[in-house]
This record gives sequence, structure tokens and C-alpha cells, in this order.
Amino acid sequence: AQSVAQPEDQVNVAEGNPLTVKCTYSVSGNPYLFWYVQYPNRGLQFLLKYITGDNLVKGSYGFEAEFNKSQTSFHLKKPSALVSDSALYFCAVRDSRGNEKLTFGTGTRLTIIP
Amino acid sequence: DARVTQTPRDKVTEMGQEVTMRCQPILGHNTVFWYRQTMMQGLELLAYFRNRAPLDDSGMPKDRFSAEMPDATLATLKIQPSEPRDSAVYFCASGRQGGGYTEAFFGQGTRLTVV
Repeated sequence: AQSVAQPEDQVNVAEGNPLTVKCTYSVSGNPYLFWYVQYPNRGLQFLLKYITGDNLVKGSYGFEAEFNKSQTSFHLKKPSALVSDSALYFCAVRDSRGNEKLTFGTGTRLTIIP
Repeated sequence: DARVTQTPRDKVTEMGQEVTMRCQPILGHNTVFWYRQTMMQGLELLAYFRNRAPLDDSGMPKDRFSAEMPDATLATLKIQPSEPRDSAVYFCASGRQGGGYTEAFFGQGTRLTVV
């Protein structure tokens, strides 16, 4: 069975500081990894994905994530946080084979403090 | 600007009533997912379709839930009869199989309250 762990329910970061939202995963075979963001009363918006290739993936709004196979991690990062980055962030995984079921983590609420 | 459209956005219904939620996937997308989001369980996959055929509905309570795709532009999720524990936000997402993977684009959800 595949699973995702987001160990922090809440992350607070001062505006302008770098931010990291942690994600570890478990899946059979090679993973496909995703980050989504959810704003209040909105659906999930796709941020970035890792399928294959370069371990550092760049996505929307200046976010990036690093795939680390040995640590089974896919942490989301941004060099300089904005107040508008405050939202709920979800990491998701599926295996690279036929089943397209996306398994989501429980989410991390990111708050950027002005 | 292509997007997944879900209707209704909000639904309040009495226990025992039938509820139907609709989803219009992005034109050209051949994969449709239904997710349910609750505070307790987070995001759970209920079912997903490829080319209108159900591929996995193992997450869906079979006795009261049903999901269909009457055509490529419409997916429906029906609950009959509804119960208070069904109260949640239901998301539809669509994607296009390509390069061996599907990137899912989510609708804004239907917030269901069963009283």
C-alpha cells in the first residue's frame, strides 16, 4: 500500500525567510510525486510534480521540491516566503505503474507572518 | 482558461434524500477522479474513470454511493439515501493520460451538508 506522511500539521515562517514543508512517502516501485495547494473554500491547485529526471523540480509561484530517493522524501521549498503563500499544502504519491490512485498526505497549514 | 466545473457548489439536504453531484471535466481529459475531503479522514479517493469506464471504485461505499460517466463531458456522483456522515467536500478532478502519467486538475468542490 502506498502512503504519504506530512509530519507537521502547521508551519509558521516569517515573510522573506525560506520555507520548507516536509513530505515522506512509501510506494512500491518508482514514485510519481506531487504537491498541491489549497486556499480557503477552493479546490486543490497543482504546484509541481516529480516523474523522472532531475531531482530538483521547479513549479508554480517560485516553489521547488527535491526528490530524495534514499530518504524517500519530497520536501517543498521556497527561498523567500510571501504572505500570500499562506495556505494548506498537500503532498501526494502514486506508483509509476498502472494504478493511478493518488494518495494524499494529511496536509500542512503554512502561515507566513508579516 | 480550462477548468473542471462542479455543480452545485453547496448542497444542504435532509437525511434520507438523494443527492447528485455533477462534474464537467476539462475538454480532452480522459481520466476523472472523485475525492472526498473531511477533517477526520483528509482526502480520500472514492472512484476514478478512464475513458468513461470505472477503473477503481474501492473507496466508495457501494450500498449508497454510485458514480457514472454518461458521456465524456459529464461525471456524476450520487448518494442515495444520504446520511449525516456523508457531510464533506466532494472534489472532482480530471487528467489526461500521457507519457505514462496523469496530472490531476481539481474542481472547486461541492460542499455537502446532510442534516
